[in-house]
Amino acid sequence: EAQVTQNPRYLITVTGKKLTVTCSQNMNHEYMSWYRQDPGLGLRQIYYSMNVEVTDKGDVPEGYKVSRKEKRNFPLILESPSPNQTSLYFCASSLQDKPYEQYFGPGTRLTVT
Amino acid sequence: KQEVTQIPAALSVPEGENLVLNCSFTDSAIYNLQWFRQDPGKGLTSLLLIQSSQREQTSGRLNASLDKSSGRSTLYIAASQPGDSATYLCAVSSPWGNNRLAFGKGNQVVVIP
Repeated sequence: EAQVTQNPRYLITVTGKKLTVTCSQNMNHEYMSWYRQDPGLGLRQIYYSMNVEVTDKGDVPEGYKVSRKEKRNFPLILESPSPNQTSLYFCASSLQDKPYEQYFGPGTRLTVT
Repeated sequence: KQEVTQIPAALSVPEGENLVLNCSFTDSAIYNLQWFRQDPGKGLTSLLLIQSSQREQTSGRLNASLDKSSGRSTLYIAASQPGDSATYLCAVSSPWGNNRLAFGKGNQVVVIP
């Protein structure tokens, strides 16, 4: 089944403790992206990757890092999480020539205390 | 920068009534417009995608129209059912958006049995 998976689905952590949210897709998509969703603000793009070893900032990249060492994986790294990073995070992927057909993961609900 | 607005933010309708959800966007130079459904705490499910050259798309009880020149789209759900209760998100992709989807904040719909 074609899908985007994220792990963990739920995470509660404390300020400053490094964490990684994984994202994996099995559709051989070149493009991958991370969004965060906050009440009243909607979904905003954090980082995106056009292909392996090619990443760039989205609208709200501060406090996040990403890497794209393999085509299928695009982990989101929070080196020193803070409470303002409490949010619902979504990973998405698409083919490079069909950027409008983005497939979304199920989401990761992160709480930073 | 593309701005996407959805009105109303929330609405309740009795079962059986038709739903009309509105989306407006500021920059008419778009690739396409998508309507997504999101259930509480869950991921996004794509409902309809309208290419910039199209005027409307239909899927079952759902119909979405696009008026690119005026920057508007309408999602019409016929004969609403309690299972239609969800948040509906409108998203627009643009030629210079680096595949980023610009999302509205959503229409939160409750269908009352």
